Amino acid sequence: RKEVEQDPGPFNVPEGATVAFNCTYSNSASQSFFWYRQDCRKEPKLLMSVYSSGNEDGRFTAQLNRASQYISLLIRDSKLSDSATYLCVVNLNNNAGNMLTFGGGTRLMVKP
Amino acid sequence: NAGVTQTPKFQVLKTGQSMTLQCAQDMNHEYMSWYRQDPGMGLRLIHYSVGAGITDQGEVPNGYNVSRSTTEDFPLRLLSAAPSQTSVYFCASSYGSANEQFFGPGTRLTVL
Repeated sequence: RKEVEQDPGPFNVPEGATVAFNCTYSNSASQSFFWYRQDCRKEPKLLMSVYSSGNEDGRFTAQLNRASQYISLLIRDSKLSDSATYLCVVNLNNNAGNMLTFGGGTRLMVKP
Repeated sequence: NAGVTQTPKFQVLKTGQSMTLQCAQDMNHEYMSWYRQDPGMGLRLIHYSVGAGITDQGEVPNGYNVSRSTTEDFPLRLLSAAPSQTSVYFCASSYGSANEQFFGPGTRLTVL
């Protein structure tokens, strides 16, 4: 089982739609969670951190479910500019140290 | 601030050649890391450093060397390039291993 798993997509949605992505992680001791956005042929950039109580940033809402070991990202009122790959990132504290592990990404395509 | 810079942006090598990918950051971050990104594999950690003079192996270190003589610079050396090392390489820096990572623009490497 991969340490961080995401549905690769693509998710094809019309403008204005609401779309949600889930990501599961294997290490129950993980403490830090993030969503990154990566545009085509660009570097990943932080979209938002994910807090235990859930958090919102404009049209974006992130949730954490520790019991089921998954995090989610909800995008409301999708824009064409939201088209990108969304990477789920979780810290894993193991013998190698405390470092971030990236999921394979979920591709979103917003169509007019 | 320039953030994280990487050179070159593109490189083509022949099998067996060696080269160094350069990475520098001006944010006074202690933690720096190198990742490779391949289709369907996500970002995989090659090597990382928690401070000047300290380096350690990540998930896929074979065929790569690193050094960290200053806080700012973290070069990645390919010892004898192989076609399996064809990939996009990202350098990242952060305050700590579980904090937000800031990525450079990437180096696209092709090994023939």
